[in-house]
Amino acid sequence: GQNIDQPTEMTATEGAIVQINCTYQTSGFNGLFWYQQHAGEAPTFLSYNVLDGLEEKGRFSSFLSRSKGYSYLLLKELQMKDSASYLCAGAGGGKLIFGQGTELSVKP
Amino acid sequence: DAMVIQNPRYQVTQFGKPVTLSCSQTLNHNVMYWYQQKSSQAPKLLFHYYDKDFNNEADTPDNFQSRRPNTSFCFLDIRSPGLGDAAMYLCATSGTGSGNTIYFGEGSWLTVV
Repeated sequence: GQNIDQPTEMTATEGAIVQINCTYQTSGFNGLFWYQQHAGEAPTFLSYNVLDGLEEKGRFSSFLSRSKGYSYLLLKELQMKDSASYLCAGAGGGKLIFGQGTELSVKP
Repeated sequence: DAMVIQNPRYQVTQFGKPVTLSCSQTLNHNVMYWYQQKSSQAPKLLFHYYDKDFNNEADTPDNFQSRRPNTSFCFLDIRSPGLGDAAMYLCATSGTGSGNTIYFGEGSWLTVV
């Protein structure tokens, strides 16, 4: 079966660093995506990992460990506009399955 | 410019009255997806097409049907909408092979009254 788990919500302070974890089980693993979604809007692509290690893209980084079925999204220098839902999604078997999303609240 | 376009963005329909949502893409992608997303929940995959091959998720109700007449267009038909079908419906596309980003449309909000 396919299963994606991530925390439901997190709170962090403006300017800080936050790490959002995700564990996954997918059939025929073909990569792990992270998306950002603001309320009422479609998800927007943040990152993609298919090999183990860290991918850095500006303030956002994503890490993957295939042996552990584990990924995290790291957000640095948090800004108020980073308050959103962050969706971990596993690709496998020709489709993309989403976790429940982590609602991140950034406080001043 | 938008690459995955969904219409209508907002749709209000009566209980039991059929509704069709459309999706078009300018990316020439092989794969097109339809997701249902209810408030505070993750997008749930309803079905997807790999070219003309239709793949239905096991738990997608029969009330939901889809058509893909050509590469660019895909439709979601809800034959008899119930109150529980009120949600945002997301269309997405991707190319084939590892690492192909999945692009989402802006979503179609369905309200059932």
